Amino acid sequence: VKLLESGGAVVRPRGSLRLSCAAFGFSFRSYAMNWVRQVPGKGLEWVASISGSDGSTKYADSVKGRFTISRDNLKNILYLEMNSLRGEDSAMYYCAKDPHEWLVENYYFESWGQGTLVTVSA
Amino acid sequence: QSVLTQPPSVSGAPGQRVTISCTGGSSNLGADYDVHWYQQLPGTAPKLLIYGNTNRPSGVPDRFSASKSGTSASLAISGLQADDEANYYCQSYDSRLSASIFGGGTKLTVL
Repeated sequence: VKLLESGGAVVRPRGSLRLSCAAFGFSFRSYAMNWVRQVPGKGLEWVASISGSDGSTKYADSVKGRFTISRDNLKNILYLEMNSLRGEDSAMYYCAKDPHEWLVENYYFESWGQGTLVTVSA
Repeated sequence: QSVLTQPPSVSGAPGQRVTISCTGGSSNLGADYDVHWYQQLPGTAPKLLIYGNTNRPSGVPDRFSASKSGTSASLAISGLQADDEANYYCQSYDSRLSASIFGGGTKLTVL
């Protein structure tokens, strides 16, 4: 399993950004995927999840209505569209593979990418 | 402030055993949701260490073990080694928040 994030950048407040995560080495459509973020030097925060094939999604309250998680199961790529960005969205964003296909409650983050850094600053 | 509470730091000498606690509440650990543990070495991404309260993924040494009881869980590391020095995070699900939640993390220092 290999996950490779990209798209991180410096962006102005209220700006937009799209992150990508290319997946290799497993049947991508068979697993739910997640985004987890971490402010440098701080703890981990779950951001969003998407099921393997039926398109179900869930979001943390802190990003609901501003971020959109999506996936392309033909290209094996996970996305995070980020709008109305705020300073508190500045973080390293990791994509993480779920062990389940569907969105379940007892989920966890089985494999992680190396992360892509988003900085929101004027 | 995290919903799951971990000590900010623990330390131990090489070869010793240390434990890291993770305390939750009635809407997460106390509601019988599983706890999972991650190790984050300096400058790297987190890595799954324990899943489903007590299970080690393949490749994780049996020096790492974990348990859960009621609203608390703990991670034990025996035979401490220098390269165990890392941040450790617990994670679970919270039904009141309808969200995955993490502990604040514990920095392990090997003396």
